[in-house]
Amino acid sequence: NAGVTQTPKFQVLKTGQSMTLQCAQDMNHEYMSWYRQDPGMGLRLIHYSVGAGITDQGEVPNGYNVSRSTTEDFPLRLLSAAPSQTSVYFCASSYNAGSGTDTQYFGPGTRLTVL
Amino acid sequence: AQTVTQSQPEMSVQEAETVTLSCTYDTSENNYYLFWYKQPPSRQMILVIRQEAYKQQNATENRFSVNFQKAAKSFSLKISDSQLGDTAMYFCAFTRKGTYKYIFGTGTRLKVLA
Repeated sequence: NAGVTQTPKFQVLKTGQSMTLQCAQDMNHEYMSWYRQDPGMGLRLIHYSVGAGITDQGEVPNGYNVSRSTTEDFPLRLLSAAPSQTSVYFCASSYNAGSGTDTQYFGPGTRLTVL
Repeated sequence: AQTVTQSQPEMSVQEAETVTLSCTYDTSENNYYLFWYKQPPSRQMILVIRQEAYKQQNATENRFSVNFQKAAKSFSLKISDSQLGDTAMYFCAFTRKGTYKYIFGTGTRLKVLA
């Protein structure tokens, strides 16, 4: 198993550009989520999905879109990048949505810089 | 709203010594889970230990153990026999059972000194 994979590892954007951060898992996990990590602020939940076709907002959803057309993939879209979106982005997945007894597996992260 | 607070931004410990990282949380719920995650310099997030709120017994995983004080809403992590590989950021996290949202603290940077 590759686990949770994220691409790209690094990305530099200009203000106003759009891009998609890719996340995929091969563990047949129902639950997938996106976090951003900023210095001094820990991880904050952006969006999550409890299965194909089902997504919902987390703590900081503004400026981001998601969709879940397959169990394996959960891309995060930035429609018009802003400097405030400079951050490290993590994707995570677990088998049983909503169960704290399941381990969340994290991807290696994407470092995004918006100029 | 639930919150998670880690009041120690940085800590250091000598190799082979014991260190305790603090975490407090605020919730009105009774059924929830608490976690400690480790993030080494590689940036990979790794689950260290998990505690279910309805369990009185403190969780342990090898050299890692927690002191879970439900009434005080405190969830500290004790690392015994610290090793150089324990150098990392440590995050405390909370989730309420049946929800899909995890709340993380701001982290404690731990450095193990040789």
